[in-house]
Amino acid sequence: AQRVTQPEKLLSVFKGAPVELKCNYSYSGSPELFWYVQYSRQRLQLLLRHISRESIKGFTADLNKGETSFHLKKPFAQEEDSAMYYCALSRSSASKIIFGSGTRLSIRP
Amino acid sequence: NAGVTQTPKFQVLKTGQSMTLQCAQDMNHEYMSWYRQDPGMGLRLIHYSVGAGITDQGEVPNGYNVSRSTTEDFPLRLLSAAPSQTSVYFCASSYGISGELFFGEGSRLTVL
Repeated sequence: AQRVTQPEKLLSVFKGAPVELKCNYSYSGSPELFWYVQYSRQRLQLLLRHISRESIKGFTADLNKGETSFHLKKPFAQEEDSAMYYCALSRSSASKIIFGSGTRLSIRP
Repeated sequence: NAGVTQTPKFQVLKTGQSMTLQCAQDMNHEYMSWYRQDPGMGLRLIHYSVGAGITDQGEVPNGYNVSRSTTEDFPLRLLSAAPSQTSVYFCASSYGISGELFFGEGSRLTVL
């Protein structure tokens, strides 16, 4: 079965420090992976997807099929990055989008 | 453009009562889904639909029913509410399974 694991419930870093939110998945085929973000009092929204290989708000994520990981990284954290982050996986054959348990990122000034 | 609209935003039920959470989207999306969000559990898929007339179970379907009679609407029904169903519920839609999910604002349900 497909599964998404985010091992950290809470990650607290200082402003300007690097950030890495971990995401591991279990699926033997070719998954599509996403990062979604929920800022305070806002709707859940897509941050980035692996297929587009882009950087959004300074965040990047690389799909590592060998390690089955899709970690989210940012070199210099900003206070506005404080939010709940969810890693998600989909595969067209199953028509499901599954989310991890989420990591709350807190940026200290 | 309203996007995904969920109603009600807040609801308190007594154990055993029934209710329907409404979800509507105006983007002509084929894929719609319901999730529940619980502390430490993240978002868990309840039911989903890949088009009108087609629904399927997600990770935690027990206690919930859905139907998809039109492309726009995807209501979630609780037939006999239980305290374990206290949660925040999110409806989401996308063009397809690989597309960006658009979420509603969420519905906070408390079952006493």
